Amino acid sequence: AQTVTQSQPEMSVQEAETVTLSCTYDTSESDYYLFWYKQPPSRQMILVIRQEAYKQQNATENRFSVNFQKAAKSFSLKISDSQLGDAAMYFCACLTGAGSYQLTFGKGTKLSVIP
Amino acid sequence: NAGVTQTPKFQVLKTGQSMTLQCAQDMNHEYMSWYRQDPGMGLRLIHYSVGAGITDQGEVPNGYNVSRSTTEDFPLRLLSAAPSQTSVYFCASRLAAGYNEQFFGPGTRLTVL
Repeated sequence: AQTVTQSQPEMSVQEAETVTLSCTYDTSESDYYLFWYKQPPSRQMILVIRQEAYKQQNATENRFSVNFQKAAKSFSLKISDSQLGDAAMYFCACLTGAGSYQLTFGKGTKLSVIP
Repeated sequence: NAGVTQTPKFQVLKTGQSMTLQCAQDMNHEYMSWYRQDPGMGLRLIHYSVGAGITDQGEVPNGYNVSRSTTEDFPLRLLSAAPSQTSVYFCASRLAAGYNEQFFGPGTRLTVL
């Protein structure tokens, strides 16, 4: 079974600044995917970015990028030019390709954006 | 496409009552799952299904039942509600078990008194 750890329960960032959210994971599988989900106060789970483990290049989506360190089993999310709408809970998650294909989540990081 | 829909959005139950949380998807997805979200705990998998007629337990299955008679629907049944089941419940689906994009419903907030 895989585990996902987010060590920062809460973080804050000034509007227009950059913030990095940390995530580490542990899995014995060689085939897996990593995700960051955003959950605003509306409660809807929104996929922010995904990374295939077999790809060495870090994924980017507009202002969101990841730093994927496979050997260290680290998967951090960088948000550039932070906006008020980025304030939300952020969850890191891991999906492995074996067995039950379960998507395992970390406990989340609450991000506040200061105007 | 409506995507993944859940009903009701909110529900209050008394201890010992039973109820069914409904989940439906119109994307012809094989894989469907139920999570519960508790403060400080992230989302934890309750039950999942890899296709019609096939279900299995996740991390926290006790007190919940599921069935999958059609591809579209995946209801979650609480047999005898307990205060420990107060939570927000999410249904999710994806094209197939090994496919990597998962879609979530809007969630149901359940309170058990």
